[in-house]
Amino acid sequence: NAGVMQNPRHLVRRRGQEARLRCSPMKGHSHVYWYRQLPEEGLKFMVYLQKENIIDESGMPKERFSAEFPKEGPSILRIQQVVRGDSAAYFCASSPRKFLAGDSSYNEQFFGPGTRLTVL
Amino acid sequence: LAKTTQPISMDSYEGQEVNITCSHNNIATNDYITWYQQFPSQGPRFIIQGYKTKVTNEVASLFIPADRKSSTLSLPRVSLSDTAVYYCLVGGLTGGGNKLTFGTGTQLKVEL
Repeated sequence: NAGVMQNPRHLVRRRGQEARLRCSPMKGHSHVYWYRQLPEEGLKFMVYLQKENIIDESGMPKERFSAEFPKEGPSILRIQQVVRGDSAAYFCASSPRKFLAGDSSYNEQFFGPGTRLTVL
Repeated sequence: LAKTTQPISMDSYEGQEVNITCSHNNIATNDYITWYQQFPSQGPRFIIQGYKTKVTNEVASLFIPADRKSSTLSLPRVSLSDTAVYYCLVGGLTGGGNKLTFGTGTQLKVEL
């Protein structure tokens, strides 16, 4: 069972261009999360999606950023008109289901290797 | 979301036991405590999770006192390959999902 896959692993863009980051969750996982990690910092939650639905986008910047998880295909994190401050590692994680209160199962998310975005 | 505090860095030697303590004074009733490990240029990897008392798996133990305001990750007999950043997270299972809140973590350096 392949793990979470992200591509590209490295992406270089010039200011003003668009960046598209792809995430294929583990087989059987229908919940996807995106996180951003700036240098020397911990990961920051951006958005939580299920198939065809955005469940929680409280960590997404209000402008230029969007995410989708279509019925078929990978989840896409899209950054329009990139700026230098968007340079970071973007990690995708997946889990098999939403964990409900009182669920005794492990609350585990499986992370991909990340996409390192560099904005020139 | 509960805020966590953990040491910025720790040093150890191969074969020693390492204990990393995390403070989470505002932990909520529904919150679990989870530890992740991250190597450079990789995504975090789940180590262990617990709610109270003690949890042990093949790589680590997690000790949680009765008041749950802190927790200690214990790594027995560390090796060079355990050099990584370790994150303590607390999070609930209620509401709109399962988002994880990472702090700055503890950089563990293991030497010969």
